[in-house]
Amino acid sequence: DIVMTQTPLSAPVTLGQPASISCRSSQSLVYSDGNTYLSWLQQRPGQPPRLLIYKISNRVAGVPDRFSGSGAGTDFTLQISRVEAEDVGVYYCMQGTQFWTFGQGTKVEI
Amino acid sequence: EAQLVESGGGLVQPGGSLRLSCAASGFTFSNYDMHWVRQVSGKALEWVSGIGAGGDTHYPDSVKGRFTISRENAKDFLYLQIKSLRAGDTAVYYCARAPGAIVGATGAFDIWGQGTMVTVSS
Repeated sequence: DIVMTQTPLSAPVTLGQPASISCRSSQSLVYSDGNTYLSWLQQRPGQPPRLLIYKISNRVAGVPDRFSGSGAGTDFTLQISRVEAEDVGVYYCMQGTQFWTFGQGTKVEI
Repeated sequence: EAQLVESGGGLVQPGGSLRLSCAASGFTFSNYDMHWVRQVSGKALEWVSGIGAGGDTHYPDSVKGRFTISRENAKDFLYLQIKSLRAGDTAVYYCARAPGAIVGATGAFDIWGQGTMVTVSS
C-alpha cells in the first residue's frame, strides 16, 4: 500500500503571508500512462472535503489562484501565496495511482 | 450542478448491518467512477470502496469481505452495504465522484456529498 506522509501536521499562519504543505509518498506516483495522480483537498470546519488541485498542479475551476501545487515522483507541495481567513481548515493530499490513500491532514490555523 | 446526497446512516448495534445510499444528480452518473470515503471524528479521511463506471469494484484490505459497493445507474444511485459492524466503523461516510476513463481520468474525487453519520454502539 502507498503511504502518504504530510508535513507539518499543524501550520500556524499569518494572514497575507505564504504557507506551504509537503506531502511525500512511500513510492512513486507515476502511473503507467505517464500521469501522476496526486491531488489536494481542503476541508473547512464542519464541511465535506473540497477538491483544490489534481494531477499535481491542475487547479479546479473556481479555486483561487493563490493555491498552487508542484512536485514529482514522491515529493509534492501545496502552496498558498497569501493566506486569507477563509483558508482555515485541514488540507489533505491524496494519491490515486494505486487505489486511493490520503495523507494524515495538515491543520492550517491563523 | 452536480450533487451527491447520502442517506441511510444511524445508530446500529455491533454485529449489525446497514446500507448507505447516495443519490446523484446534475451529471451523467453512469459515466463516472464512484467511491465511499469515511472519516472518524477528528481523524483523517479513509477510502473504503470504489466502483468503476463499468461496475468493477475495489476495496482496501481493511474492509474487504464486510463492505459491498454497488450502483444502480438507471436510478442514479450508489450504495454501500456494511455487515458485521464494529465500533471502529463509527464515522461519517461520504460518497464521492471520480472522473474515470470515459470522461478523462484525474485520479481525484471532484464532487463530495455532505456525508451520513454511522454510529455503532450497544
